[in-house]
Amino acid sequence: DIRLTQSPSSLSAFVGDRVTITCRASQNINGYLNWYQHKSGKAPKVLITGATHLESGVPSRFSGSGSGTDFTLTISSLQPEDLATYYCQQSQSTPRLTFGGGTKVEMK
Amino acid sequence: EVQLVESGGGLVQPGRSLRLSCAASGFTFDDHGMHWVRQLPGKGLEWVSGLSWNGNRIDYADSVKGRFTISRDNAKNTLYLQMNSLRTEDTAFYFCARDRYSTTLNYLDHWGQGILVTVSS
Repeated sequence: DIRLTQSPSSLSAFVGDRVTITCRASQNINGYLNWYQHKSGKAPKVLITGATHLESGVPSRFSGSGSGTDFTLTISSLQPEDLATYYCQQSQSTPRLTFGGGTKVEMK
Repeated sequence: EVQLVESGGGLVQPGRSLRLSCAASGFTFDDHGMHWVRQLPGKGLEWVSGLSWNGNRIDYADSVKGRFTISRDNAKNTLYLQMNSLRTEDTAFYFCARDRYSTTLNYLDHWGQGILVTVSS
């Protein structure tokens, strides 16, 4: 099975900071990597698909990069509404999908 | 507007069964694969199972394989999860989610609000 390891598991940053979350796959997933935002008590929301494609309606401060086994989600200027837990998810092994362990983003 | 509404959750004893349903509306149901994802208490998201538009492609997480069965009724626009031999570690919020694609399951573009399943004696 393909495993996804996210780091850090949590972080605290100031409004306006640049935030970077990494996701490492246990094998080459050929860019089949998606990112989600999950706010407490709400349904998760997809942000980035195919490692780099920004979903419609998602603010441009979010971006994704990477290939092979190493991927990154970047928030260029952290906003208060970005308080959430972020997950990567792979679909290389479709129909079996897996999520990373999550990164909780908090405000300083 | 896409809507996914889960039902059928609740408290159940270990070893018993429960069936979750997910009523879909606002889109053409059989144009999309569907999934169940869960969140254990204080933990992250765990993909549970997914199936293609016609049910020909199905898979399960190892943690539920052999105990849970995913299915769909396209005529009723409803997704199901039959959960048998439930364990305390199955206690979680269960989300129904729509795949962007019909056959090649890839990513989940719409989610329900989730429903709580508690397995306890």
